[in-house]
Amino acid sequence: DAGVIQSPRHEVTEMGQEVTLRCKPISGHDYLFWYRQTMMRGLELLIYFNNNVPIDDSGMPEDRFSAKMPNASFSTLKIQPSEPRDSAVYFCASRPTGSTDTQYFGPGTRLTVL
Amino acid sequence: AQKVTQAQTEISVVEKEDVTLDCVYETRDTTYYLFWYKQPPSGELVFLIRRNSFDEQNEISGRYSWNFQKSTSSFNFTITASQVVDSAVYFCALGGEDNFNKFYFGSGTKLNVKP
Repeated sequence: DAGVIQSPRHEVTEMGQEVTLRCKPISGHDYLFWYRQTMMRGLELLIYFNNNVPIDDSGMPEDRFSAKMPNASFSTLKIQPSEPRDSAVYFCASRPTGSTDTQYFGPGTRLTVL
Repeated sequence: AQKVTQAQTEISVVEKEDVTLDCVYETRDTTYYLFWYKQPPSGELVFLIRRNSFDEQNEISGRYSWNFQKSTSSFNFTITASQVVDSAVYFCALGGEDNFNKFYFGSGTKLNVKP
């Protein structure tokens, strides 16, 4: 079975540009999570969805960040405008409802904002 | 408050040595889950184990074993006969009953296994 798929794997952009990160969860998983990993703050939950509906976005750092899940197999995390402090690895994770709370992570997108 | 502490920032061992990674957690919940994830140099996060608060049995999977002790709020991870491929950053995480979806991750322990 395919795991969580993220694209791109690496993104380098200039300050002020719009960045869009993409995620395809594992088929059948009802929950989708976006995390950010930095040296200073470690792994932080930004937002999560259940059945395509955002449930908790309290971790989204500021209005420059937005996330959408238009259908069960696709989500985006957008940063507009990007800033150098947004440089991090962004992970997407998913999990099924019910039997387990285990979250399965994608390979991550390494974002560098110059 | 929910918190996970991994006091060991970095550990270096020589291949075939046993190594234990410590994880101490804080929670007021009676029901909670603990997890270990591995992040190899390639960067992905790989799920290793999940444990719920009602199950204090230790678990062994090949060279990996986990020791869960509620009395000391610890969930330690031991690798027996370490191998170079075990080199990675290992994260302990806690999910509490206020919101099982909100994981609290420790800061990670970087394990270097030298040949």
